[in-house]
Formats: sequence, structure tokens, C-alpha cells
Amino acid sequence: GDSVTQTEGLVTLTEGLPVMLNCTYQSTYSPFLFWYVQHLNEAPKLLLKSFTDNKRPEHQGFHATLHKSSSSFHLQKSSAQLSDSALYYCALRDTGANTGKLTFGHGTILRVHP
Amino acid sequence: EAAVTQSPRNKVAVTGGKVTLSCNQTNNHNNMYWYRQDTGHGLRLIHYSYGAGSTEKGDIPDGYKASRPSQENFSLILELATPSQTSVYFCASGEDWGNYAEQFFGPGTRLTVL
Repeated sequence: GDSVTQTEGLVTLTEGLPVMLNCTYQSTYSPFLFWYVQHLNEAPKLLLKSFTDNKRPEHQGFHATLHKSSSSFHLQKSSAQLSDSALYYCALRDTGANTGKLTFGHGTILRVHP
Repeated sequence: EAAVTQSPRNKVAVTGGKVTLSCNQTNNHNNMYWYRQDTGHGLRLIHYSYGAGSTEKGDIPDGYKASRPSQENFSLILELATPSQTSVYFCASGEDWGNYAEQFFGPGTRLTVL
């Protein structure tokens, strides 16, 4: 079945350094991937999603590239900000019936310090 | 902006008691979802619904029931609450057509079962 793996539970960075959060997936059919972000005491919200035409999605300085050859959708940013500290989820759309179901990874906490 | 609300926001229950968590959405979305969020497990799907009158089991439905009496409302019911159900519960609504499957989350309910 479909699955999402986020290998890092916690990533700690100094402000200004680049960010990369890993996401790999297993999917039977053509995948559609998302990144959700959850700040402390808030609800998860969509950060960005993959496109079917191989465009690179970007939002708030973050970007991700879907690599079907390696089944990856890593989240990247060139320079971390303190406000980027949050919990990040990678998610895979269910490729079965149109349920809209998402399979989430376990999440990666990003902590950015001065 | 999508609007999903949950009540109560915080709940303390006793073991063996009945708990009902409520969710309301004003997005006119067909699909609604209940998740629980636990450290180390991420977001796990409990039940979901395609529309009024429908409920479907998610990945971890044991110990939970769901009810969708209308397009706007989706409830999660714990008939006999147990301490293992202590968690943060999120409701979400969304649509799924083509490759569009974004979900909009409510603010969450923190449930403690003593």
C-alpha cells in the first residue's frame, strides 16, 4: 500500500543555513505529494504540493521537487528563518478512489536557532 | 479562506465515559476526516466521510465511531473512553477531483482521559 517516510524526527539548524527535510514514498500509481506545516498550537496547513507537469512548487521560500526515479519529494529552503520553526508533514494522496485521503509521514520538527 | 471549527477545544473525560467531539465546516466540501495526532506517529486517520449520511473507517478506527448528519457536521464518538485515547484530535474537510486533494484542518481538540 501507499506509505510515506520522513527519516528525521528532529532537525536543528542555525538561522541562515539551508534547510532540507527528507520525504520518500511508496505509491502504486502516479503520486501526488504535499507538504503541510504546523506551527506550535496551530492546525496543520498546506505549504506546497506537487504538480503533474513537473513544475517546481514554491511557497514562502520553500520548494520541493518530485523525483519519481528515487520516489522522493524533499523540502528545501536556501536560508532558514526563526519563523520556520514548526512541525512539517509530508503527505501522499490516496491513488485509489476519489476519497481525498492523504497518508501522512510521522513528521519532522524543524528548530531554527539564532 | 476555508473554515473548519471544532468543539470542545479541550476535554477531560473519565475512563469508561462517553465523549463526543464535534466538527463544523462552512466550505461546502463533500469530504471530511478525523485524525489523531501523537508524538512519533504523526497524523493518523480514524474515520472519514464522503458526504451526509456516510462514514468510512480509516486506518485506526477501533474504539471510535463517527456520524455525518449533514454536509457541515461530522462528529467523532468515543463510547467507552480509555486513557490510550488521550491525544489531540483534528478534523479536516476537503475535496478530491483530478489531482486536487487539499485538506483544511480545524484547530484541534485536546482530549485527556483519566
